[in-house]
Amino acid sequence: NAGVTQTPKFRVLKTGQSMTLLCAQDMNHEYMYWYRQDPGMGLRLIHYSVGEGTTAKGEVPDGYNVSRLKKQNFLLGLESAAPSQTSVYFCASRRDSLYEQYFGPGTRLTVT
Amino acid sequence: SQQGEEDPQALSIQEGENATMNCSYKTSINNLQWYRQNSGRGLVHLILIRSNEREKHSGRLRVTLDTSKKSSSLLITASRAADTASYFCATDTSNTGKLIFGQGTTLQVKP
Repeated sequence: NAGVTQTPKFRVLKTGQSMTLLCAQDMNHEYMYWYRQDPGMGLRLIHYSVGEGTTAKGEVPDGYNVSRLKKQNFLLGLESAAPSQTSVYFCASRRDSLYEQYFGPGTRLTVT
Repeated sequence: SQQGEEDPQALSIQEGENATMNCSYKTSINNLQWYRQNSGRGLVHLILIRSNEREKHSGRLRVTLDTSKKSSSLLITASRAADTASYFCATDTSNTGKLIFGQGTTLQVKP
């Protein structure tokens, strides 16, 4: 099992450009999450999903959109990137609310 | 705002010593989890303790939970250089499955 994978690993965008980050999990988990981590800080929840076809806002959803069309995939979109979105983005999945989360390796995004 | 606050923010010890990290939170929880993050990597789950549990062990790790004080501690015994990492607590406060992470404790274990 690959666990949780993220694509791409690194990306540099110019202000105003758009991109999509892909998260995939092969553990048949119901719940999936997108976080961002900024230097010296913990993880902040952007959006999450409790099942295929569902999404919900986390702590810092502005400027991001998500989709969960397939159970194994959770996509994070930036429609118009801003320098404030420079961060490391982590995806995670979880069997259900009683269990731990499994994290991907992260995507390092720089917006210039 | 962050649900969990960790203390200390940074900790430096010698190999073989014990390391204790604390986490305080604000609202009632379903469970509390501890994660480790090595530099530049994703988080790895260490221990999950449920709200009706008071103590849990896993190898050299011991976690306690005091729901009356809304606090938890992570003890790493006989630390090793490989334990050098950041440690985060995360609280599960509802049945929505959201985890709220603290800002973490950076542990350095000197050989």
